Amino acid sequence: AQTVTQSQPEMSVQEAETVTLSCTYDTSESDYYLFWYKQPPSRQMILVIRQEAYKQQNATENRFSVNFQKAAKSFSLKISDSQLGDAAMYFCAYRDTFTSGTYKYIFGTGTRLKVLA
Amino acid sequence: DAGITQSPRYKITETGRQVTLMCHQTWSHSYMFWYRQDLGHGLRLIYYSAAADITDKGEVPDGYVVSRSKTENFPLTLESATRSQTSVYFCASSDSGGRETQYFGPGTRLLVL
Repeated sequence: AQTVTQSQPEMSVQEAETVTLSCTYDTSESDYYLFWYKQPPSRQMILVIRQEAYKQQNATENRFSVNFQKAAKSFSLKISDSQLGDAAMYFCAYRDTFTSGTYKYIFGTGTRLKVLA
Repeated sequence: DAGITQSPRYKITETGRQVTLMCHQTWSHSYMFWYRQDLGHGLRLIYYSAAADITDKGEVPDGYVVSRSKTENFPLTLESATRSQTSVYFCASSDSGGRETQYFGPGTRLLVL
């Protein structure tokens, strides 16, 4: 069974600095999707970034980028120029492709990010 | 407004009562999901649905019932609420067009006394 592990329950970063959140996963599939979701105090889950496993290029969305290491099954999120609004819970998630016959998403336990002014 | 909505947003009930949480999406997404979020567990899948009248169990289905008679609605029922079902419940949907991204509702906070 697939698993997603976020080993950092909490992280802190100074405003304008860069922080990296870690995520590892376990799967026997070769094609899948990975996501980072942000959950601010409002509790709304917001998609930050997604990565298709068949793409070697790391996904980037403005200040957010990932370091996708397929062989190591690692999917870290880098936030550059951190802002106070980045403070939130961040969840890493994994999903098989539909061709695998399942469409469940597996979530990690989350990393709480604090941004210090 | 387009999107995915949940109702009620907050609910307090008593042990043994039946509670139904509603989820409605306007995108005509094929897939819908129910999660519960508890400290230390992240999001755990309760039930999911690939289309109207097609549902399947997730990781923690015991004590819950779902139905999906219409594509846009996916209600979750707690048949006899227990204190362990106190949680925040999220509904989500995703399309089958290949983008594979889930979109979440705002959540329902349920307290079982």
